[in-house]
Amino acid sequence: GAGVSQSPSNKVTEKGKDVELRCDPISGHTALYWYRQSLGQGLEFLIYFQGNSAPDKSGLPSDRFSAERTGGSVSTLTIQRTQQEDSAVYLCASHGTSGSFTDTQYFGPGTRLTVL
Amino acid sequence: AQSVTQLGSHVSVSEGALVLLRCNYSSSVPPYLFWYVQYPNQGLQLLLKYTSAATLVKGINGFEAEFKKSETSFHLTKPSAHMSDAAEYFCAVRGSNYQLIWGAGTKLIIKP
Repeated sequence: GAGVSQSPSNKVTEKGKDVELRCDPISGHTALYWYRQSLGQGLEFLIYFQGNSAPDKSGLPSDRFSAERTGGSVSTLTIQRTQQEDSAVYLCASHGTSGSFTDTQYFGPGTRLTVL
Repeated sequence: AQSVTQLGSHVSVSEGALVLLRCNYSSSVPPYLFWYVQYPNQGLQLLLKYTSAATLVKGINGFEAEFKKSETSFHLTKPSAHMSDAAEYFCAVRGSNYQLIWGAGTKLIIKP
């Protein structure tokens, strides 16, 4: 596609439920990132996938958070037993294959998660 | 470890006036720096980036930023503000694992 897409755009769930958020990166981009944007914490890195390498999970806030990337393309971020503090906008970004620090990350529109 | 500080959570300027958004960074290695803009209810869009090629970087929509190593700064400027510039602006530095490390953001308000 032309850009990074994310679904759903909005998700409202009850505390304790599991949620799955989806990201479709730009076609051909091997690097994929998840970030979280919340009022209290600003923008935070969550996880990074690069090709077939093991993901960098250093930003995941707890073991309730996990992510996978199938076939080097689509990624799913899963939050188990959601808590109210998980309410945030979850952003996905991707960039191309050069692996350079100067690569531009292109962002999707985000998924707004509200935990009641 | 890298970090970014943006001075001023809100900046208000009159239409036609100079825009100056401040960003200071901390990095133990040569930094790669980025400015992104987020319009209301939209995603993040790259304005410009510093990749060590030139200290004065020009971006989209008339914005530019100057990298000053001695001051550890990468301030964003625009000579003349437009109403359409009202948005939130984020400065970021590239982390050691390629992730972006963000400042807290500055909301730019344009007064008519």
